Amino acid sequence: QVQLVQSGAEVKKPGASVRVSCKASGYTFTGYAMHWVRQAPGQRLEWMGWINAANGNTKYSQRFQGRVTITRDTSASTAYMELSSLRSEDTAVYYCARDIDRPAGRWSDPWGQGTLVTVSS
Amino acid sequence: DIQMTQSPSSLSASVGDRVTITCRASQSISRFLNWYHQKPGKAPNLLIYGASSLQSGVPSRFSGSGSGTDFTLTISSLQPEDFATYYCQQSYTTPRTFGGGTKVEIK
Repeated sequence: QVQLVQSGAEVKKPGASVRVSCKASGYTFTGYAMHWVRQAPGQRLEWMGWINAANGNTKYSQRFQGRVTITRDTSASTAYMELSSLRSEDTAVYYCARDIDRPAGRWSDPWGQGTLVTVSS
Repeated sequence: DIQMTQSPSSLSASVGDRVTITCRASQSISRFLNWYHQKPGKAPNLLIYGASSLQSGVPSRFSGSGSGTDFTLTISSLQPEDFATYYCQQSYTTPRTFGGGTKVEIK
């Protein structure tokens, strides 16, 4: 079945960078875009950006522009999200989610299980 | 960015109750509106896409309606497994913004 499996929890110091991976299985990786969404404790879901897995084109939220980089390795069917210059407010669960684009609409399904990133000195 | 506003932010209901959650967009998004539910410690799970299309495997007690700026998610008869937080999301444009969530709790 279609599945996204993310890398494990990370603890980072302020100013550091973190890279989260998202391995896809059960479908043709290059046939779909991949979103990255985060959720800080008690906060709403926040879209960070996405990547076209076929050609590597990306688009980022202005909120993270300059700090986030989304890449993919098609040979490994894996997408990556790297966030730099970490601060305590970046403590959150980070999710990848596959994009579906059809005449009926556009949505994200499935989602990875989430990766907790804790930023603490 | 398109702002998504959900109401209420929380509600208490009993098993068997009819529950309605609303979502308003700050500008017209046609029918590019999705609903997800999320249980504690779990990833969001798609319920409704395109404002009213039921995702495969989702029980028929869930339904969605609306277009333009105003949307509704209805649970016709609340079941124990439905106690969760519900989020709307617009997919009209990026950034794909989410509502603030509606936490459905047991009365």
